[in-house]
Amino acid sequence: KAGVTQTPRYLIKTRGQQVTLSCSPISGHRSVSWYQQTPGQGLQFLFEYFSETQRNKGNFPGRFSGRQFSNSRSEMNVSTLELGDSALYLCASSSGRLEAEAFFGQGTRLTVV
Amino acid sequence: SQQGEEDPQALSIQEGENATMNCSYKTSINNLQWYRQNSGRGLVHLILIRSNEREKHSGRLRVTLDTSKKSSSLLITASRAADTASYFCATSDSWGKLQFGAGTQVVVTP
Repeated sequence: KAGVTQTPRYLIKTRGQQVTLSCSPISGHRSVSWYQQTPGQGLQFLFEYFSETQRNKGNFPGRFSGRQFSNSRSEMNVSTLELGDSALYLCASSSGRLEAEAFFGQGTRLTVV
Repeated sequence: SQQGEEDPQALSIQEGENATMNCSYKTSINNLQWYRQNSGRGLVHLILIRSNEREKHSGRLRVTLDTSKKSSSLLITASRAADTASYFCATSDSWGKLQFGAGTQVVVTP
């Protein structure tokens, strides 16, 4: 079956702009989680959506938001971009059960200039 | 903040040797998982060990978990050049949220 698809793969934005990233989970998976990966902070959990509801949230400012659609596709939005938002953004798809394996997409590399 | 701390940060070995990396965590967990990441790409799930398990095997991988010491280890036996990657441990709480460690960079030279 098709894996987790993240679009776009690469993105360059200017400070102050906003950006929307997309994640299509594996068919049948209802949970999508988002992570930010940077050299300095490593992998940081942003939030998780399950059946269109935010179920878990990390410690990121309100500029980071997300949503999930009825087909389980998820979008992540970052407003008023800062240089420090440059990172690899990864989404993970799972069935949503407690010990379910998470399948990661290839990520979106965001560069803020 | 990160839940897990991996040790060592980097490891360089030759093909055929074993690679061992450790992960320590701070809070109680439901399970602990290990992932591999090749050169800034997506993460690949390797193995999951539940909090009531002590050891688990999958192919050339062996994972141990010591909940009293809040630590886990990943052993890769008979390493290959294709094992070159970063390895992360991730703890899962009762909500299923994954918290990752900083990772161990493993380089396997032919």
